Amino acid sequence: SQQGEEDPQALSIQEGENATMNCSYKTSINNLQWYRQNSGRGLVHLILIRSNEREKHSGRLRVTLDTSKKSSSLLITASRAADTASYFCATVWTNFGNEKLTFGTGTRLTIIP
Amino acid sequence: DGGITQSPKYLFRKEGQNVTLSCEQNLNHDAMYWYRQDPGQGLRLIYYSQIVNDFQKGDIAEGYSVSREKKESFPLTVTSAQKNPTAFYLCASSIVQRANVLTFGAGSRLTVL
Repeated sequence: SQQGEEDPQALSIQEGENATMNCSYKTSINNLQWYRQNSGRGLVHLILIRSNEREKHSGRLRVTLDTSKKSSSLLITASRAADTASYFCATVWTNFGNEKLTFGTGTRLTIIP
Repeated sequence: DGGITQSPKYLFRKEGQNVTLSCEQNLNHDAMYWYRQDPGQGLRLIYYSQIVNDFQKGDIAEGYSVSREKKESFPLTVTSAQKNPTAFYLCASSIVQRANVLTFGAGSRLTVL
């Protein structure tokens, strides 16, 4: 299975600290995406990094991709209470000529005010 | 506002009943998807459609059916054959060519009594 595994499963930090979440996957990818889900809501796309990119920034978000280790990390700097949510990585990969998107199991982030 | 509308938000069903979840989008996206999410887990693909009048099974299609008669609409029927239907259901759409970045609806929570 290509399903990504996020690490840690849950993370609690003080407001203002940085939060780092990791995602590992099993086969070669075309791109990797990160999504956020507030409790009981749909997912919101945060950022996409292509397989030939190593780092990408968007506001307080920094994503890195290491294809040799088949892993990615999402860093949220200067965390805020509103960042409390679950974060999912999703890998886009090619299976028998068809592109597939597979979600990981998520990291539940809690920001303590 | 462009987006995806799912209804109902909450639904209760007796065992043996079929129920239909609605998903409508006004984003002019070609592709639409249905995912199932169980507590503390990632998303699993039920069905997807890349064009009107055509759809494909995802990873967990058994006990579900869909139709795609209009570009804007992709309803999901949870049939009585689905043995464990209690879950959170998410509809999503994408511009097929845009590297599979998904836009999600707010979700429908189905509870079987």
